[in-house]
Amino acid sequence: SQTIHQWPATLVQPVGSPLSLECTVEGTSNPNLYWYRQAAGRGLQLLFYSVGIGQISSEVPQNLSASRPQDRQFILSSKKLLLSDSGFYLCAHQGPGGNTEAFFGQGTRLTVV
Amino acid sequence: GENVEQHPSTLSVQEGDSAVIKCTYSDSASNYFPWYKQELGKGPQLIIDIRSNVGEKKDQRIAVTLNKTAKHFSLHITETQPEDSAVYFCAAGYGNNRLAFGKGNQVVVIP
Repeated sequence: SQTIHQWPATLVQPVGSPLSLECTVEGTSNPNLYWYRQAAGRGLQLLFYSVGIGQISSEVPQNLSASRPQDRQFILSSKKLLLSDSGFYLCAHQGPGGNTEAFFGQGTRLTVV
Repeated sequence: GENVEQHPSTLSVQEGDSAVIKCTYSDSASNYFPWYKQELGKGPQLIIDIRSNVGEKKDQRIAVTLNKTAKHFSLHITETQPEDSAVYFCAAGYGNNRLAFGKGNQVVVIP
């Protein structure tokens, strides 16, 4: 069965510090991978998606970056966090064809102080 | 891109009554419309989805209807139970590999 692991569950970081959130997928090959941010009352905002190793597309300009070093690994990073980067970050995967069920991780609650 | 609007933002219903959440979308090329349920502190989970070649789909107490001409789709929950309390998101597929989500609807089922 397909599973998606995302860690850590919660994170408190000072302004200006770096960030690295990791997501790994099991039970599927060549998935489409996604990073979303969920702010209160604003739904799920797509930040990055990847259709293959090393292929990253950004939906919105921001202080974050993403990388996909392996087929089932997706990393969200920042060199210097801003207060506005606080939020609930969700990793997700879909089948390679798209337009199929998206499976979400349990999320990371990031608080920048 | 695709723009999905979801209404209402909050909905309170008495246990046993029905709940309806409506969504509209902008991209007429979209053909995949899933609904997700998110419980507190967890990631969203798919509860039902519909493709543009059908107008309605049911799964026990949950149903989704789609009107492609009007570009809107709705989630119907019948005989609501306390465990139905959660945030519900609609979404529309676009670009063949992305989903645009609505802002979510907080459903509260009052025992």
